Amino acid sequence: QSALTQPASVSGSPGQSITISCTGTSSDVGFSYYLSWYQQHPGKAPKLMIYHVSKRPSGVSNRFSGSKSGNTASLTISGLQAEDEANYYCSSYTSSKTVFGGGTKVTVL
Amino acid sequence: QVQLVESGGGVVQPGRSLRLSCAASGFTFSDYGLHWVRQAPGKGLEWVAVISYDGSNKYYADSVKGRVTISRDNSKNTLYLQMNSLRAEDTAVYYCAKEAYGVAAFDIWGQGTVVTVSS
Repeated sequence: QSALTQPASVSGSPGQSITISCTGTSSDVGFSYYLSWYQQHPGKAPKLMIYHVSKRPSGVSNRFSGSKSGNTASLTISGLQAEDEANYYCSSYTSSKTVFGGGTKVTVL
Repeated sequence: QVQLVESGGGVVQPGRSLRLSCAASGFTFSDYGLHWVRQAPGKGLEWVAVISYDGSNKYYADSVKGRVTISRDNSKNTLYLQMNSLRAEDTAVYYCAKEAYGVAAFDIWGQGTVVTVSS
């Protein structure tokens, strides 16, 4: 399995919306319902933000939303806040294995 | 509270072995699949291995297959990762993670343990 493709960086001003893409193939992203997104602040463990393409775990802000179209999944952060500055990783689970994207650094300007 | 605590990391020479442990608390350990995920310095997340709730099924990333063995002791609420023939490229923070039931996502992560492979 090859890593999923994410942009290296995305930036936005406070209050704006940004979208992070995660591109795979018809064998992973395009095939799987098991698409997740994780947030990781420097020196910290990752945190689950989205699972099953678009579902939010309890306690995750509704400013975070997920979607999928074809072989590309997306994470949208609306009403960008300073605390959203972090690295974000997508993941896809297929054939009993998990593959992560390369990660996207979100900068709040 | 629900918690995973890794241990066993350290500095090891290339070609040697190391066993990582992950102690769980706050949930019914034997009900959940568990994973190891690693992160090389300054790099992204890399999935390493998974073990089913009862230990009957195990899967590995191609990058570690044949050199790594995942196991668990449900009586001790502990997950393990035995790593052999270590290489410089195995240098990373190793996280254990709990799989949320039925959603193939990792809802609980440990704080990580650092493995450095160097002569």
